[in-house]
Amino acid sequence: DGGITQSPKYLFRKEGQNVTLSCEQNLNHDAMYWYRQDPGQGLRLIYYSQIVNDFQKGDIAEGYSVSREKKESFPLTVTSAQKNPTAFYLCASSATGSYNEQFFGPGTRLTVL
Amino acid sequence: RKEVEQDPGPFNVPEGATVAFNCTYSNSASQSFFWYRQDCRKEPKLLMSVYSSGNEDGRFTAQLNRASQYISLLIRDSKLSDSATYLCVVAPLGGYSTLTFGKGTMLLVSP
Repeated sequence: DGGITQSPKYLFRKEGQNVTLSCEQNLNHDAMYWYRQDPGQGLRLIYYSQIVNDFQKGDIAEGYSVSREKKESFPLTVTSAQKNPTAFYLCASSATGSYNEQFFGPGTRLTVL
Repeated sequence: RKEVEQDPGPFNVPEGATVAFNCTYSNSASQSFFWYRQDCRKEPKLLMSVYSSGNEDGRFTAQLNRASQYISLLIRDSKLSDSATYLCVVAPLGGYSTLTFGKGTMLLVSP
């Protein structure tokens, strides 16, 4: 089955800890994205990557970091510098030459205790 | 003006009803338009891309009005399973352009 996987589904961390969220896709998509969704809010872009070893900041990159060492993988690290990290994190990908359609993974719900 | 605006709802309709959502966007350079559906505590799923000429997929019809910068989604013969939040999404032309999401319109279909 082709798709996007995210793990873990639920994550709890203590304040001051860094945590890494996994995102893997086997759709052979070039571009990958990370979004954050807060209750009653639209999705906000954190980082995106159009090609391996390259990525760009989105609208709310402060307190986050990413890497893109493989086409299939785009992990997101939520650092202790992120002031309000509790949120629903969504990873997406899109294909070359697509009409910009993005396809989402099931998300990781992060709660900071 | 917000980039993508939607009425948050909820829209409460009985099964079998026809319901329409509108969405306005502020960036006249927007070229790609989509409706996504998001169930509670789940990821958004692409419902329809919206083309200039409008398009239909079964009970769903999407229309684009570039002059007025709005997009609409019409759902006919509503089903209980249509209950969800519908996200309006726009993007500039081409490539790996980033998407701008509206906050969504909630639809509740009752028996």
